[in-house]
Amino acid sequence: NAGVTQTPKFRILKIGQSMTLQCTQDMNHNYMYWYRQDPGMGLKLIYYSVGAGITDKGEVPNGYNVSRSTTEDFPLRLELAAPSQTSVYFCASSRQGQAGTGELFFGEGSRLTVL
Amino acid sequence: DAKTTQPTSMDCAEGRAANLPCNHSTISGNEYVYWYRQIHSQGPQYIIHGLKNNETNEMASLIITEDRKSSTLILPHATLRDTAVYYCIVRVVTGGFKTIFGAGTRLFVKA
Repeated sequence: NAGVTQTPKFRILKIGQSMTLQCTQDMNHNYMYWYRQDPGMGLKLIYYSVGAGITDKGEVPNGYNVSRSTTEDFPLRLELAAPSQTSVYFCASSRQGQAGTGELFFGEGSRLTVL
Repeated sequence: DAKTTQPTSMDCAEGRAANLPCNHSTISGNEYVYWYRQIHSQGPQYIIHGLKNNETNEMASLIITEDRKSSTLILPHATLRDTAVYYCIVRVVTGGFKTIFGAGTRLFVKA
């Protein structure tokens, strides 16, 4: 199992550009999450999904959009990139419910710089 | 999900036990305590979790007070590679979608 895979690992964007961060997991987890981490800070929840077709906002959703058309994939879309979105983005997944232990599995992160 | 409070940073001598405290005084009866760590800029790594009993695995031990309002993560023999940020969070297993991370404790293991 590859676990949680994020692409790209690094990206530089110009202000106003758009892009999608890809996240896929092969553990058949029902829950998926996107976090951002600014330098020296903790993780902030952007969006989460409890299953295919179901998404909801986290702590800092402004400027982002998500979709969950399959169990495996949970892409994060930045429509109009701003310097404030310079951060490291982490995708995570977990198995919730009776069959799960609730632990989060994280990807390696995507480092985004907006200039 | 309940909030947690952790010290900003701690030091530990290599080879000694590292005891990392966490306060979660508003924890609900169905919420578990989870610990993660983040080394450098890697993705956080799961360490251990528990509900009310003490737990131990190959990485660490988790001690939860009887009233469940606080817990301690114990790394029995800290090594330099244990230098990391440690996060304590509380969440339910059924549900638990809004998993919120605090600032964590930055542990420095010194030779």
